Amino acid sequence: QVQLQESGPGLLKPSETLSLTCAVSGYSISSGYFWGWIRQPPGKGLEWIGNIYHRGNTYYNPSLKSRITISVDTSKNQFSLRLSSVTATDTAVYFCAREDTGNYNSLGYWGLGTLVTVSS
Amino acid sequence: DIQMTQSPSSLSASVGDRVTITCRASQSIRSYLNWYHQKPGKAPKLLIFGASNLQSGVPSRFSGSGSGTDFTLTISSLQPEDFATYYCQQTYSNLRTFGPGTKVDIK
Repeated sequence: QVQLQESGPGLLKPSETLSLTCAVSGYSISSGYFWGWIRQPPGKGLEWIGNIYHRGNTYYNPSLKSRITISVDTSKNQFSLRLSSVTATDTAVYFCAREDTGNYNSLGYWGLGTLVTVSS
Repeated sequence: DIQMTQSPSSLSASVGDRVTITCRASQSIRSYLNWYHQKPGKAPKLLIFGASNLQSGVPSRFSGSGSGTDFTLTISSLQPEDFATYYCQQTYSNLRTFGPGTKVDIK
């Protein structure tokens, strides 16, 4: 059974860098698929942040592109998100997920999500 | 970027009702349209992929249709566990986008 688990600091100050990791179990990242990040501000809808292929190809939301880095560590079977210069508008629940290439790139497996709050 | 819209933004329905939610893309996305629902405090759950394919384990009362720019999610007989927010997502473009969501609550 594929499982994903997000981890990282829950509280940041404005201008700091958000760093989250998604640990994957039940499937080897190096075997394939795209791995993605999605966020949801409190009370709002889902926003796609970006994704990474196991070989390192990345695609980013244009509205966040200048601040985002998504990377993969196949030795640890995890992938990571870095978002620089955070502000209060980056406060959200951050989810990691696996895209199923054979199923129209749908997000079939999700982590539980982790709340990141940006506040001074 | 491909923009996604959904209608209605919210609806009230009773158990047993037939419910239809519409999703529209700003350009053709062929059949690269997925549907999710989300309950408060939980991660979204995949219901339909590729516009009309039922995800394994999802009840058959859920169905999807459409292609190109116009898509529909139908719940044939609403059950208590179906009260949630529903999102469509396009994955035709490498830059994925979600619709704004449709909240289904109890009448």
